[in-house]
Amino acid sequence: DAKTTQPPSMDCAEGRAANLPCNHSTISGNEYVYWYRQIHSQGPQYIIHGLKNNETNEMASLIITEDRKSSTLILPHATLRDTAVYYCIVRVNFGNEKLTFGTGTRLTIIP
Amino acid sequence: DTAVSQTPKYLVTQMGNDKSIKCEQNLGHDTMYWYKQDSKKFLKIMFSYNNKELIINETVPNRFSPKSPDKAHLNLHINSLELGDSAVYFCASSRSDRGGTGELFFGEGSRLTVL
Repeated sequence: DAKTTQPPSMDCAEGRAANLPCNHSTISGNEYVYWYRQIHSQGPQYIIHGLKNNETNEMASLIITEDRKSSTLILPHATLRDTAVYYCIVRVNFGNEKLTFGTGTRLTIIP
Repeated sequence: DTAVSQTPKYLVTQMGNDKSIKCEQNLGHDTMYWYKQDSKKFLKIMFSYNNKELIINETVPNRFSPKSPDKAHLNLHINSLELGDSAVYFCASSRSDRGGTGELFFGEGSRLTVL
């Protein structure tokens, strides 16, 4: 799996959009970008994934650059419950490939 | 209904003991995993099973023995527990076919403390 680079921590004011960047310059053509988050002491939770097009679901939006070497996860209206560690991971989306977690970004939502 | 459930949630035991953690998923997935999260919060994969067969073993000591009686269950047995085994252990499951999204569903974790 390609490696990813994320800032170790970020703050965001409650109600504002949280934009979490991720670099994955060695991503392969068949690898997807996945985002998970881990709220304190809970199991990791899937947020969204994409290949090359921008994606949106009820939780977040994922913007992937045209060269696919970086992406941004957007939480449009951050709430205190969005405080968590956010992991950006690249992998193929089928088969038994393992999900390899990096150190992630610790996002703190400020009241 | 809980999709991936682990028992027990908390386990405190002495060094040298043998303990087991159980995991069950009701999602109909064919692949299950065990991850370990240590005190520094690094999440590392330990094992992966597909349809009861071991497919990933990440250089885990052989004191750790996963067992999959069927594709809905993946239990973790640990022999001769050591202080360094203290961690939170997460079970997860996923579909492995191309029709899936590749999403992993995680349990709530089992916190093991070895004294």
